[in-house]
Amino acid sequence: DSGVTQTPKHLITATGQRVTLRCSPRSGDLSVYWYQQSLDQGLQFLIQYYNGEERAKGNILERFSAQQFPDLHSELNLSSLELGDSALYFCASSVATGLATSYNEQFFGPGTRLTVL
Amino acid sequence: GQNIDQPTEMTATEGAIVQINCTYQTSGFNGLFWYQQHAGEAPTFLSYNVLDGLEEKGRFSSFLSRSKGYSYLLLKELQMKDSASYLCAVTGGGNKLTFGTGTQLKVEL
Repeated sequence: DSGVTQTPKHLITATGQRVTLRCSPRSGDLSVYWYQQSLDQGLQFLIQYYNGEERAKGNILERFSAQQFPDLHSELNLSSLELGDSALYFCASSVATGLATSYNEQFFGPGTRLTVL
Repeated sequence: GQNIDQPTEMTATEGAIVQINCTYQTSGFNGLFWYQQHAGEAPTFLSYNVLDGLEEKGRFSSFLSRSKGYSYLLLKELQMKDSASYLCAVTGGGNKLTFGTGTQLKVEL
């Protein structure tokens, strides 16, 4: 158990719908990262938040958005869902200070499996 | 940008040694990670290299050559439970991790 929690574990929805995925980082970790893992693309970095502020952005679609709240939990919002959005969504956390650091082990949550029908 | 290459699949025998290679091209480099991922589960940290050379941790070792943009993960005394995907990831400027597509290792009797 990494200490990172994600809810829900599974989510089944229809195209065009909107869903919210939730993540609670390990106690003391200020950074939260979101990744998407689909069968054909591997783990793709979406976005990072550090202490409530967006820190880095990856291949995140405009239909997707995220935020980190004052208690440091984070939510990933996916809207206008398409079949291709079906994937495992992982949240990870680290103690990163937010500055460039040479060591930044990320601890991954169990993931949310999203199925869009 | 960053480009990471790993073999897609490998097969090895229980008790044997296997080496999984990773080559990378990055615009910045702060370190290289190896993660293990069983199907449908979260990736778990195995090793981290920032300087050239070999890092050993039990049955797992990882090597890095920064000048060659090359790393390998060495697994000794293979066990059936080592069947998993092994992900090479590079961190450049900042904390963002870029992952390779992973190497699916199958351990056979």
